[in-house]
Amino acid sequence: GESVGLHLPTLSVQEGDNSIINCAYSNSASDYFIWYKQESGKGPQFIIDIRSNMDKRQGQRVTVLLNKTVKHLSLQIAATQPGDSAVYFCAENGVRGYSTLTFGKGTMLLVSP
Amino acid sequence: SQTIHQWPATLVQPVGSPLSLECTVEGTSNPNLYWYRQAAGRGLQLLFYSVGIGQISSEVPQNLSASRPQDRQFILSSKKLLLSDSGFYLCAWSVVGSPLHFGNGTRLTVT
Repeated sequence: GESVGLHLPTLSVQEGDNSIINCAYSNSASDYFIWYKQESGKGPQFIIDIRSNMDKRQGQRVTVLLNKTVKHLSLQIAATQPGDSAVYFCAENGVRGYSTLTFGKGTMLLVSP
Repeated sequence: SQTIHQWPATLVQPVGSPLSLECTVEGTSNPNLYWYRQAAGRGLQLLFYSVGIGQISSEVPQNLSASRPQDRQFILSSKKLLLSDSGFYLCAWSVVGSPLHFGNGTRLTVT
């Protein structure tokens, strides 16, 4: 069935490096994508979103890239900090519109000082 | 600004006991409300969502139920808990054109 998945379950980087977290989606009808950050014991926190009429969107230290041709989504974090250590989830709206989201399984980002 | 409150933060309940988790949203009107469950080391599974008072959509067959007695109140319940109901339960809200905003969750352990 349709699904959202991540290539790497764990990503370890050094403080100051740039991080790239990848996500593959298979539902070609999805037109809205979101990245969330979840710290231990807390709820997911919205980071950045992108609609399918865009291929890039930038926030503060984060950039989301969308490649609709290969159904791939990535989150780039510049100058990664220890506080960025968390699990990152991508999500898509799928065929049901904005009311519901389908989440990937998440990638753990570990930042070493 | 909008805020979401979820309680309790942690809960330990014996098998067969009832459950009631509450979620309230402030600072917005007529939000969509959601209950998600997150098993350890896994993604989020949508359990219920509501687009208005008394309107509940169930996503997966399960031992749980949801109710929305007021516009900004969403309750997750069970009459008899199972071991498999253990998990991290997250309430979320959204309005048209906005992403989901999550509460800080309830860690439920059924013993």
